[in-house]
Amino acid sequence: NAGVMQNPRHLVRRRGQEARLRCSPMKGHSHVYWYRQLPEEGLKFMVYLQKENIIDESGMPKERFSAEFPKEGPSILRIQQVVRGDSAAYFCASSPSDLTDTQYFGPGTRLTVL
Amino acid sequence: QKEVEQNSGPLSVPEGAIASLNCTYSDRGSQSFFWYRQYSGKSPELIMFIYSNGDKEDGRFTAQLNKASQYVSLLIRDSQPSDSATYLCAGSLGGYQKVTFGTGTKLQVIP
Repeated sequence: NAGVMQNPRHLVRRRGQEARLRCSPMKGHSHVYWYRQLPEEGLKFMVYLQKENIIDESGMPKERFSAEFPKEGPSILRIQQVVRGDSAAYFCASSPSDLTDTQYFGPGTRLTVL
Repeated sequence: QKEVEQNSGPLSVPEGAIASLNCTYSDRGSQSFFWYRQYSGKSPELIMFIYSNGDKEDGRFTAQLNKASQYVSLLIRDSQPSDSATYLCAGSLGGYQKVTFGTGTKLQVIP
């Protein structure tokens, strides 16, 4: 039973480029969460999605960041016009249903902005 | 502001000792609590979750919840060097509510 999958594992972008991070939840999980973690810091919640719906995006920066979880395919976190401050580890987690919020994490994508 | 707070450490314990990790939370409506372990450069790994007041044991790990004091703890018995990691405490109001993470406590188990 495959766990949460994220790709790419490492992503390098130059300032001003776009970054697309993908997350496939565990089989049977319909809830996806994105977190950002800076070195030596805790996890910061960004967004919570269900299929075709954004439930809570209170942690998303107002500009340049967007997320989606389409009916088919992985969830995508998109960062437009990246800046050096976007360099971080981005983790995706999934949970099985709205009756529980136990989250299981993917391996993360390490974004480096040059 | 809804917060989950942890001492950043590092907490150093000798091999074989009991490690005690503590966490407090500010939102009295919080229903669910989680402990994750994160090795350096890796993703968080769920260790335990607890919903009810009291103790919950799983192998060498015991989670303790006291809702009146808004306090959650994790005890690790017979600590091993492989337990050296950062331990993240998290809380949630439950259901559709987001999970809020503390900044983590770094544990070092000295051989």
